[in-house]
Amino acid sequence: EPEVTQTPSHQVTQMGQEVILRCVPISNHLYFYWYRQILGQKVEFLVSFYNNEISEKSEIFDDQFSVERPDGSNFTLKIRSTKLEDSAMYFCASSEFWGAGAQPQHFGDGTRLSIL
Amino acid sequence: SQQGEEDPQALSIQEGENATMNCSYKTSINNLQWYRQNSGRGLVHLILIRSNEREKHSGRLRVTLDTSKKSSSLLITASRAADTASYFCAYGGATNKLIFGTGTLLAVQP
Repeated sequence: EPEVTQTPSHQVTQMGQEVILRCVPISNHLYFYWYRQILGQKVEFLVSFYNNEISEKSEIFDDQFSVERPDGSNFTLKIRSTKLEDSAMYFCASSEFWGAGAQPQHFGDGTRLSIL
Repeated sequence: SQQGEEDPQALSIQEGENATMNCSYKTSINNLQWYRQNSGRGLVHLILIRSNEREKHSGRLRVTLDTSKKSSSLLITASRAADTASYFCAYGGATNKLIFGTGTLLAVQP
């Protein structure tokens, strides 16, 4: 069964450094998402992306965050200047159709980001 | 907050028993989904129920939805040790983001 793949599985970065998290969504999916989960807490929506544009973003997704689909397969999340509170598990997801409530989203195994 | 709430937060049962988890939400929804998360892994979609449905089955899973009470339940019948995981409800409305509940940690003892 097709999978969403994320790399790296674990990223350790010094505070203030830039980090790029990478995702390869399922190939025929058109809608892409990033979520994060701080250890022991709920899964939180960050951003959705369609047709090379951000569709929606949460208040967490401030100017330090950006997303890009640099080619036909990768979907990246960049954090420009990391803070300690950015430490979390970051999940990429994709769906075939519009409407999170109408279609399941398929999640990768996540990247654990640790900011020192 | 739009976040859903789940109870119980943790549930420990013996293999073969049934497990019931509940989810309450605060907004209007089009659909509600349940996901499983094994420790250190991603979220796996289990089942989706639409707002005009009241009950849905998939294998050993049974989901109910009561939109008047803004609540849903997930029943896992004849549980197995492999069912040990965290279970989350998630729902979407008019937009394409999912709002997740707080999750139930299920431990199935062999």
